[in-house]
Amino acid sequence: DAGVTQSPTHLIKTRGQHVTLRCSPISGHKSVSWYQQVLGQGPQFIFQYYEKEERGRGNFPDRFSARQFPNYSSELNVNALLLGDSALYLCASSSPPPNTEAFFGQGTRLTVV
Amino acid sequence: AQKVTQAQTEISVVEKEDVTLDCVYETRDTTYYLFWYKQPPSGELVFLIRRNSFDEQNEISGRYSWNFQKSTSSFNFTITASQVVDSAVYFCALSATNQGGKLIFGQGTELSVKP
Repeated sequence: DAGVTQSPTHLIKTRGQHVTLRCSPISGHKSVSWYQQVLGQGPQFIFQYYEKEERGRGNFPDRFSARQFPNYSSELNVNALLLGDSALYLCASSSPPPNTEAFFGQGTRLTVV
Repeated sequence: AQKVTQAQTEISVVEKEDVTLDCVYETRDTTYYLFWYKQPPSGELVFLIRRNSFDEQNEISGRYSWNFQKSTSSFNFTITASQVVDSAVYFCALSATNQGGKLIFGQGTELSVKP
């Protein structure tokens, strides 16, 4: 079975631009979460979506937004990119109920120049 | 507030040594979950274990074992007879039941196992 897949794997953007990251969860999983991992730190929670509704939001500015589609895949959008947005963006999927183990994708490495 | 502390930033051992990674957590919730993940250089977080707050039994899986002590708010991870393939960054994480699946991660411990 396919695991969590994320695209693209690497991305270079210029300050001020917009970026869209994509995630496909494990088949049967209805919950998708997004995390930002800055180099040398642990992942920080950005969003959680379950059944296409936002169920949690971390302490990130409104420049960050996300959505979940009917097939449970998800997009993370970041507007007006800053140098500080450079990080590894991780997507995790899990099956209900909450607090079951989350399975992570390989991440998208975003570099803002 | 919830917090996870992994005080050991880096650990270096020689192959076949035993090594323990420490994890201390803070939460006011009575029901919560604790996790350990492994992150190899490829970047993907690999799930190792989940433990709920009502289950303080220690767990062993092959060369891996976990010691959960609510009295000291610790959830330590021991690798017995370490191998070079164990080299990675290890994260401890906390999830409260009232916050769905949101994981709060520690800073991670980078383990280097040398031949």
